[in-house]
Amino acid sequence: NAGVTQTPKFQVLKTGQSMTLQCAQDMNHNSMYWYRQDPGMGLRLIYYSASEGTTDKGEVPNGYNVSRLNKREFSLRLESAAPSQTSVYFCASSEGNSEKLFFGSGTQLSVL
Amino acid sequence: DQQVKQNSPSLSVQEGRISILNCDYTNSMFDYFLWYKKYPAEGPTFLISISSIKDKNEDGRFTVFLNKSAKHLSLHIVPSQPGDSAVYFCAAREDSNYQLIWGAGTKLIIKP
Repeated sequence: NAGVTQTPKFQVLKTGQSMTLQCAQDMNHNSMYWYRQDPGMGLRLIYYSASEGTTDKGEVPNGYNVSRLNKREFSLRLESAAPSQTSVYFCASSEGNSEKLFFGSGTQLSVL
Repeated sequence: DQQVKQNSPSLSVQEGRISILNCDYTNSMFDYFLWYKKYPAEGPTFLISISSIKDKNEDGRFTVFLNKSAKHLSLHIVPSQPGDSAVYFCAAREDSNYQLIWGAGTKLIIKP
């Protein structure tokens, strides 16, 4: 009963390094999301994918790229990490356009 | 410009009493309002939602009230239990837009 699985759980990067956050869901959901959560702020949408092969920018897409590899997997890539990208990242999925999202447990990323 | 505001960063309530969490919004176009609950080191989990055509929705110990004229919603938890200690996020969405707008969260502490 995995739901939404994110890897890694923790990561420390140096400024300018690149990395990919992985996300997979086993609920056969069409929609997948990447959010970031910063202290004192609500979750902010980075990118959204309504279905395999489609992606849309959210509120804060700058500095990120995404790939919807197949229906299960949605990855988030930081090409050149910056300290401002230090945050907790959450992947989520939902059935169609439902407001009920299922979240992974998060990735805590620090960029030094 | 925060469209969804949770003005109380934290709230402490005695076990067995009522917990009331509040949320204000500015966008009159919001059609759906949701509450999510988050434990440390976990992703948010959906708790309860309400459509803008209703003013109350109840699910067990949890009730959400919507006051559209005041642009205000609240979550009531009765009776409060130790397991309710968590961060509660309010979120809202327009029917035509997949994007959820989140409040900053309220940390609820249930005292034994």
